[in-house]
Amino acid sequence: GAVVSQHPSRVICKSGTSVKIECRSLDFQATTMFWYRQFPKKSLMLMATSNEGSKATYEQGVEKDKFLINHASLTLSTLTVTSAHPEDSSFYICSALSNEKLFFGSGTQLSVL
Amino acid sequence: AQTVTQSQPEMSVQEAETVTLSCTYDTSESDYYLFWYKQPPSRQMILVIRQEAYKQQNATENRFSVNFQKAAKSFSLKISDSQLGDAAMYFCAYRTDKLIFGTGTRLQVFP
Repeated sequence: GAVVSQHPSRVICKSGTSVKIECRSLDFQATTMFWYRQFPKKSLMLMATSNEGSKATYEQGVEKDKFLINHASLTLSTLTVTSAHPEDSSFYICSALSNEKLFFGSGTQLSVL
Repeated sequence: AQTVTQSQPEMSVQEAETVTLSCTYDTSESDYYLFWYKQPPSRQMILVIRQEAYKQQNATENRFSVNFQKAAKSFSLKISDSQLGDAAMYFCAYRTDKLIFGTGTRLQVFP
């Protein structure tokens, strides 16, 4: 079946550094990618929606300059957390849309020290 | 604004029994999709069932079925013959141009 490969699965970084999370659709083309953030025992909060070749649409309250989303191809979308701070520590998940079906990455646990 | 509400933070059921998880949503759209996802401790999102809003017939997947009431904007999930492996967080979700999740219901299954 269709697979979305999300890397890294876990990352620890120092405050002030940038971290890039990749989501790659392995055997299909993702026209749209959704990026979520999930706090422990909470729901998935939509951060942004990105369509291939165009700028991402960010949800209210999400800083565009802090969470950079790039969807340069139909098989790759990236989320870069710039100048990370401890409050950015969270679980990040991507979801790819293809032919009206959704496929989820396995998530990235980001810990900022 | 599109919102999805799950009024039951936690539910419990005995093995082999039936349990129903509630979900309501708010939208002005007429064409959309509704989903129930399961999230086990691994945190991988697993699709349980999906319903297109234009279809009146309730979706069914083996032991899982929904009660879709479009006018009431209600989309409940019924799990029959509950199994220990059904224990997880369950999220109701709604999609048009965005995919929005509800607050989640933690389901415990007791032997």
